[in-house]
Amino acid sequence: GAVVSQHPSWVICKSGTSVKIECRSLDFQATTMFWYRQFPKKSLMLMATSNEGSKATYEQGVEKDKFLINHASLTLSTLTVTSAHPEDSSFYICSAQTGEPAKNIQYFGAGTRLSVL
Amino acid sequence: KQEVTQIPAALSVPEGENLVLNCSFTDSAIYNLQWFRQDPGKGLTSLLLIQSSQREQTSGRLNASLDKSSGRSTLYIAASQPGDSATYLCAGAPRQGGKLIFGQGTELSVKP
Repeated sequence: GAVVSQHPSWVICKSGTSVKIECRSLDFQATTMFWYRQFPKKSLMLMATSNEGSKATYEQGVEKDKFLINHASLTLSTLTVTSAHPEDSSFYICSAQTGEPAKNIQYFGAGTRLSVL
Repeated sequence: KQEVTQIPAALSVPEGENLVLNCSFTDSAIYNLQWFRQDPGKGLTSLLLIQSSQREQTSGRLNASLDKSSGRSTLYIAASQPGDSATYLCAGAPRQGGKLIFGQGTELSVKP
């Protein structure tokens, strides 16, 4: 089946530093990848949609300069949290969509827990 | 704006019970729907996907149904086991190629 790898699974950083999270589709090509944020006991909130070779589409209220997304290849998308602050601490999950967007099948990574001190 | 409500928010049952989790959408125009399982601190595992032309899907002890006219879906778990303990999320796409919109989940605890 389709496997999505997300790395790292857990990261702790100091306030003001930048953190990069990788999302890879291991056995399929993903023309579209999604980045979600999840607060404790809350649902997933879509942050942005990433298409290979083009700029990401950000949801309303998500700062583009804060959360940099790069989708340089059909198997890799990265999310960089720039100048991280404690309020950025959260669980970030990526997903990748196969080549059939009409079916809306997304395969999810295991998530990255970010803690900003 | 499409919103998704899951009821109940939390559920605790003894092992062996059959149970039903509910999911409803404010806008009944749903293209397709997925049920996911999330273990604490983990990502999402897709359980069942109901496509636009389908009304229900079954996998093992799980059965999911979708009533598009009312914008409601149910996930039925038969003969629950402690290993079923997790948070269950439903998510729907309002149109073909549209974004997934998630509910807040039902936290299920199955006691031995």
